[in-house]
Amino acid sequence: DGGITQSPKYLFRKEGQNVTLSCEQNLNHDAMYWYRQDPGQGLRLIYYSQIVNDFQKGDIAEGYSVSREKKESFPLTVTSAQKNPTAFYLCASSAQGTSYEQYFGPGTRLTVT
Amino acid sequence: KQEVTQIPAALSVPEGENLVLNCSFTDSAIYNLQWFRQDPGKGLTSLLLIQSSQREQTSGRLNASLDKSSGRSTLYIAASQPGDSATYLCAVRSAIMIKAAGNKLTFGGGTRVLVKP
Repeated sequence: DGGITQSPKYLFRKEGQNVTLSCEQNLNHDAMYWYRQDPGQGLRLIYYSQIVNDFQKGDIAEGYSVSREKKESFPLTVTSAQKNPTAFYLCASSAQGTSYEQYFGPGTRLTVT
Repeated sequence: KQEVTQIPAALSVPEGENLVLNCSFTDSAIYNLQWFRQDPGKGLTSLLLIQSSQREQTSGRLNASLDKSSGRSTLYIAASQPGDSATYLCAVRSAIMIKAAGNKLTFGGGTRVLVKP
């Protein structure tokens, strides 16, 4: 059953702590993405990776870090430097090709207090 | 810089009525446009992808049109049902970004739809 999994579904952290969100895909897609969604707003791109061991900053990369050591995995670390980390985080992947259509995971809701 | 706008932000209709959702974008140099559905607290489900060379795309009760020159796309949902209640997002993929830096989507803020039984 192919798809994208994100864990955990809900995550609670104290201010000042780093936290890592998991994203795994078994679609054999080369490209993976991390988005942030705030209430009532569209998605904003944090980081993306088109190939293993390579990634680029998106529109709002400050306070976040990523790694891409395996094709299937693209974890996102929310660091203590991120000023407003409470949000809904969505991971996506796409094949390189004609349409570049992106497929999304179920999301992780992070709450930092 | 590409900007995508969806108006209205929220819409309520009685069951059976046709839904018309609007999406406008500022830069007409797009590669394609995607419409997504999002249920509360869930991820995004792709509904339709329309290439820049296409005028419309259909899937069941859904029809998306694209007018690139005027920077507009419309999603039509025929004979709405309570199960259609969700937030609908449109996103555009820049033609320039495809060549320069891969697959970047710019999203609108979404239209939250409520279909009343």
